[in-house]
Order: sequence, then structure tokens, then C-alpha cells
Amino acid sequence: EDQVTQSPEALRLQEGESSSLNCSYTVSGLRGLFWYRQDPGKGPEFLFTLYSAGEEKEKERLKATLTKKESFLHITAPKPEDSATYLCAVQSNSGGSNYKLTFGKGTLLTVNP
Amino acid sequence: KAGVTQTPRYLIKTRGQQVTLSCSPISGHRSVSWYQQTPGQGLQFLFEYFSETQRNKGNFPGRFSGRQFSNSRSEMNVSTLELGDSALYLCASSLPGRETQYFGPGTRLLVL
Repeated sequence: EDQVTQSPEALRLQEGESSSLNCSYTVSGLRGLFWYRQDPGKGPEFLFTLYSAGEEKEKERLKATLTKKESFLHITAPKPEDSATYLCAVQSNSGGSNYKLTFGKGTLLTVNP
Repeated sequence: KAGVTQTPRYLIKTRGQQVTLSCSPISGHRSVSWYQQTPGQGLQFLFEYFSETQRNKGNFPGRFSGRQFSNSRSEMNVSTLELGDSALYLCASSLPGRETQYFGPGTRLLVL
């Protein structure tokens, strides 16, 4: 069974203070690893898809990296508007898990001005 | 391009009633997935449809069902509602052959 663990559960940063969020995963065969951002009362907003170890993707102040066991979401010089819950999810190749995303519980990021 | 739309956005029901939620995917997207989000369990997969066929189903009781129409729009139904069914129900769509799923705003269901 696919499993995703995110840490920390909550992270409080000062504006401009860079940090990283962790996503550890267990899958039988990785089809893709996904990062989403979710604001209160809204649906998850897609950020990145990573497919293979060593892959990196960037968007503004965010950079996602992938190894065979975990992914990191690096946040450089965050701003208050980066405050949100960040969700990690995996999709595996196994027949019973095709087409579904298995999510971690998320990291609640708060950036103080 | 319009995103995934879900209706209604909010619902209040009482125990024992049934409810139907609707989802319209992004134009051109033919795969629709449904998820339940609660504070305790997080996001959990309900089922996925493609070309009107259910291809995968999560570990939820048979009270949860869904269907997809020829225009790719999807509905999910929950019968005999229980207090524990109170949650945010999210729909996501994706292009054929692509893994990335795009989510709608969700339907907030409260069961009293």
C-alpha cells in the first residue's frame, strides 16, 4: 500500500527566512509525485509534478526535488502570501493504485511579516 | 480556460438523507476523480471515472457511489448519510494519459 508522510506538521517562518518541507513516500513503483498548495476553504492548487529521482522543478520562490525515497519543497525568502497548507501526493504504477493519488497529511506553513 | 467546477458549494443535510454532488471537469479532460477531505484523515481517494467507466475505487462503503456522463461531467451520491460523512468533497480532472490532476473548489457537506 502506498504511504506518504510529511514533516513537519506545522512550520512558522519569518518573512525572508528560507526553509524546506519534507515528503517521505513508499510506493511499489512511482508514476509521479505531486505538490499542491491549499488555502483554507479552497481546493488544492497544483504546483509541481516530479517523475524520477534527481528531477527538480522551480516556480517563483518554490523549488521541488525528488530522490528515491523522499521529496523536498524548498521555499526561498518566503512572503506572507506563501502561507498555506502544502500537500504531497504520489501515484503508483501498481494496478490497484492506478489513477488515484495518495496524499500526506500536509504541512501548514505560516509566514509572519 | 475554465477550471473544474463543483456544485453546490455548501450543503447541510440530516442523518439518513442522501445527497448528490456534481462536478464539471476542465474542457478536454476525460478523467474525473473524487476525494474526501476531513481534518482527521486528510484527503482520501473515493473513485475515478474515465469514459463513463469506473476504473478504480477507494476503501469507502457502498453508500458512496458515482457515475460519469458522456460529456465527462460526473456526479457522486452518498446515501443514508452519517455524521462522519461531514467533509469537503473534492473533484479533480486530468487529461487522457497525463497523471497531473487539477482540483475544483470542493463541496462542503455538513451532516446534522
